[in-house]
Amino acid sequence: NAGVTQTPKFRVLKTGQSMTLLCAQDMNHEYMYWYRQDPGMGLRLIHYSVGEGTTAKGEVPDGYNVSRLKKQNFLLGLESAAPSQTSVYFCASSHRGWNTEAFFGQGTRLTVV
Amino acid sequence: DQQVKQNSPSLSVQEGRISILNCDYTNSMFDYFLWYKKYPAEGPTFLISISSIKDKNEDGRFTVFLNKSAKHLSLHIVPSQPGDSAVYFCGETSGSRLTFGEGTQLTVNP
Repeated sequence: NAGVTQTPKFRVLKTGQSMTLLCAQDMNHEYMYWYRQDPGMGLRLIHYSVGEGTTAKGEVPDGYNVSRLKKQNFLLGLESAAPSQTSVYFCASSHRGWNTEAFFGQGTRLTVV
Repeated sequence: DQQVKQNSPSLSVQEGRISILNCDYTNSMFDYFLWYKKYPAEGPTFLISISSIKDKNEDGRFTVFLNKSAKHLSLHIVPSQPGDSAVYFCGETSGSRLTFGEGTQLTVNP
């Protein structure tokens, strides 16, 4: 049982380049989330989705886009990477967004130079 | 601004003693608070939650207390063990969003 899988695990980008982070879950969860973790800032919600075909903005959505074309996948895109987007990115999923626990992936460490 | 605040970046306790991690919040319209634990190079894992209709929830060594009048919650770990050393995040869910505080690094010394 893989749970939540993030691809890639590490990446170095040059300023201005684009990339897509893939999150896949095999638990048939409705809700999926993308977070970034920065020192002293905790986990900040970038975007989230409450079901296939839906997306919504979180706390820090600027510079990112997302898509949820399939229930099991949640893609996070950076159209033009900036050094401020250097961070560790976590994807999570949950059956619902309420009291049920969210399961997190292992994270993607992204460095923008 | 973050809806939940963890004002203590770090906490150090001796093995066997109680660890108390604190969280303050601003949004009164919440459904649940949740605590997550995170080890280095791993994703956060769920620890314990509490609903808005309760004041306390207990699970083994972990107890969460909710003080709605003070908009404050705390996580108690008794007794603390070296394996509890990790970053602890409190999170708030008000429907579909799940947002977190800054985290507190707990170190339990043998």
